[in-house]
Amino acid sequence: QKEVEQDPGPLSVPEGAIVSLNCTYSNSAFQYFMWYRQYSRKGPELLMYTYSSGNKEDGRFTAQVDKSSKYISLFIRDSQPSDSATYLCAMSGGYGGSQGNLIFGKGTKLSVKP
Amino acid sequence: DAGVIQSPRHEVTEMGQEVTLRCKPISGHDYLFWYRQTMMRGLELLIYFNNNVPIDDSGMPEDRFSAKMPNASFSTLKIQPSEPRDSAVYFCASSHWTGHNYGYTFGSGTRLTVV
Repeated sequence: QKEVEQDPGPLSVPEGAIVSLNCTYSNSAFQYFMWYRQYSRKGPELLMYTYSSGNKEDGRFTAQVDKSSKYISLFIRDSQPSDSATYLCAMSGGYGGSQGNLIFGKGTKLSVKP
Repeated sequence: DAGVIQSPRHEVTEMGQEVTLRCKPISGHDYLFWYRQTMMRGLELLIYFNNNVPIDDSGMPEDRFSAKMPNASFSTLKIQPSEPRDSAVYFCASSHWTGHNYGYTFGSGTRLTVV
């Protein structure tokens, strides 16, 4: 079993739809959970960051972490064509003074149609 | 801040040639990471440095790959000799450790094609 699993999609939705993106993981030591957005031919950029469990909201984006189920989600409300990108989840332990390597999912390609 | 700067953006080379990828991290960042991205395997960590010292190179695929960080503002990833299976996008990323992992800042990548 891979440490981080993410459905590669592609996922196609109409403009204005609610999008749900998910990752599962196997390492119970993970404490830091992130979502990166990667536009075509660009580097990944940090979109959302969560420490431990719980929810975090930023505008149209909500990140959820359920450590008991080892499951994280990213919700996008009122999706826009500009949200079309690949979304990668990433997570790490990062304890004991160590940076902790970020382990990435393979990414889900999202397309929002006007 | 100009962000993480990588060069070249694109590189096409023939099998057997030496390839050198370059990275300038964000000033003040003490961690530098080299990743490789392919459709099949996603983002894979190759090596990372802390304060210019290589910490973990277990992701380097084989001896043909080497990386250096001679100072805090420059790192190179070298492939010698290159092979077609090395074709991928190579990303450099940097971060500053403050006691919590707030993620990395990535460069725009170098798209390497080995023919």
